[in-house]
Parts: sequence; C-alpha cells; structure tokens
Amino acid sequence: GAGVSQSPRYKVAKRGQDVALRCDPISGHVSLFWYQQALGQGPEFLTYFQNEAQLDKSGLPSDRFFAERPEGSVSTLKIQRTQQEDSAVYLCASSFRQGLEAFFGQGTRLTVV
Amino acid sequence: EDKVVQSPLSLVVHEGDTVTLNCSYEVTNFRSLLWYKQEKKAPTFLFMLTSSGIEKKSGRLSSILDKKELFSILNITATQTGDSAVYLCAVGLNDMRFGAGTRLTVKP
Repeated sequence: GAGVSQSPRYKVAKRGQDVALRCDPISGHVSLFWYQQALGQGPEFLTYFQNEAQLDKSGLPSDRFFAERPEGSVSTLKIQRTQQEDSAVYLCASSFRQGLEAFFGQGTRLTVV
Repeated sequence: EDKVVQSPLSLVVHEGDTVTLNCSYEVTNFRSLLWYKQEKKAPTFLFMLTSSGIEKKSGRLSSILDKKELFSILNITATQTGDSAVYLCAVGLNDMRFGAGTRLTVKP
C-alpha cells in the first residue's frame, strides 16, 4: 500500500476486555515498530520486528501485551484484560530496512473505560 | 539506560521568527538521529542524520548533528503558523527511541 495502515482508528474497550490492534506496513518494509503515546508525551517504544522475528520486546509494559508478525508483513498488537492506564495512542511504523527512516501509521486511539 | 532529551519542552514564537530546537542523547550503539514533525496524527519524517557536521536542509528547515557532544539541533527560519506542531527527535539504534518532543506554537 501507499503508507502504513492501522486499524481500527479508534477503540473503546471496557476494563478487562481484550483488544487487538492491526498494522499493515508499507509493502516490502522489513522493520516494524510499535509505540505507545500518551497525551503530551513522545512515543514510547514497545517492540520491534525484523521480518517475522521479534528482536526486541523490552518496551512491552506487562505480560498482558503481546505482539506478533507471523508472516513478516501484517502485525497485531494484543492487549489482554485492558486497564485504564492502557489508554493511549498506539503507533505503528515501518522501515525498508534496519537503520533507515521509519514511516508511521495514523495510530489507534485506545480508550479503556 | 538510553536517554533522549529535547529542549525546550514548549516554545511560542511569532511568524517570521527563527527557532532552534535541541536534542541531546546518551545511547549505546548509535546509528542515526531522526527528526519528525507531529501535528494531530502520525509523526512525519523530516531528517535522518548519521554524520557529524553535515547540515541537512529542506526549505526553511535545517538540522545538524554533533556526535562528539551527542546532540542535534533543528532550525526553522521565517516560521509560519503551519510550522506549529510537536517536533520529535529519535535516536536510531536497531529501533528508534524518542524524546518527549518540543511543542512549537507559531502565532500570526
């Protein structure tokens, strides 16, 4: 596709509900990143994939957060048993290869009520 | 621990002013430093810097990296109201780690 696509754009979840956020990177991009951005803050690193391999998941805040990219293209970020502090914009970015500039999707705004 | 610090956190100027935004970093395995502009939605890429002392320029925006002193600056000359945004600095390792951003407001 022309750019990084994320869905849904907005998600309201009840506390305790599981959610799945999808990212379609730019075709051919090897590297894929997930970030969490709270209001007024810079994006906080969550996890990073190179193709299907999850090379770094050190930013995932708890074991309720899980990300996958099984075929090295589309990625899903799953949050189990959502809590209010999970409310944020979740940004996905991709780059052609490691070390090059990354391009961001529009983000998914998650609100946990 | 890797650290990316941006200053100032916010800045208000008038159209026509020149601004300088700062980004300092302490990271291991540095590869590159990137600047992004974030308005309401996704950050959009501005510059990637890998070498010290080489200025990158795009219209009224320019940026330079000092790998010895571990900082970068982003200059915007003749600011316009459309420059109002949050400017993010990220240090590229294998992934990218961002600073908190500088919120720039340009008043008419």
